[in-house]
Amino acid sequence: AQRVTQPEKLLSVFKGAPVELKCNYSYSGSPELFWYVQYSRQRLQLLLRHISRESIKGFTADLNKGETSFHLKKPFAQEEDSAMYYCAMNSGGSNYKLTFGKGTLLTVNP
Amino acid sequence: ETGVTQTPRHLVMGMTNKKSLKCEQHLGHNAMYWYKQSAKKPLELMFVYNFKEQTENNSVPSRFSPECPNSSHLFLHLHTLQPEDSALYLCASSQETGIDNEQFFGPGTRLTVL
Repeated sequence: AQRVTQPEKLLSVFKGAPVELKCNYSYSGSPELFWYVQYSRQRLQLLLRHISRESIKGFTADLNKGETSFHLKKPFAQEEDSAMYYCAMNSGGSNYKLTFGKGTLLTVNP
Repeated sequence: ETGVTQTPRHLVMGMTNKKSLKCEQHLGHNAMYWYKQSAKKPLELMFVYNFKEQTENNSVPSRFSPECPNSSHLFLHLHTLQPEDSALYLCASSQETGIDNEQFFGPGTRLTVL
């Protein structure tokens, strides 16, 4: 079964500290992985996608097929990074069917 | 208004009521989606429409009935719902349904079934 697991429901760090939000997936094929973010009082939006291999707002994520992980990292967290982060997987095919994790609420303290 | 809009933003209904959720996108996209976000559960895909044709029904109960009259509008008709159907219902759209197509989300409708 296809599944996305975000083991941490809550994550709290101090400003300037490194942050890593964990994401593990379960899928026998080659999925595409994404991170979506929802800031307070804003709608859910795409943060970054595996296939683009880009850094957005200082965040990066590397797909590790051996560990079936797609952890989101930022070396120096900022207060404005506080938000709900969702890892999502597309298992491919003709439909853009995203499977989401439960999300991790990141709080960056001053 | 730009982007993806949803109305109403909040809805309270009884189990015997019939109501509809509306989604409109102003992005010129061809694909639209309904998601359900329940407390303590992941965001769940319900339906996918591509060029007005339903291409995905993720085993959704028949008390939820989607309608896509054109590429810009998507409805979710609700009838004889159960209290466990209370959730945030999100609409999204994308240019098409390929892997490279980013989904843009609406603000959601918070539904409470009494």
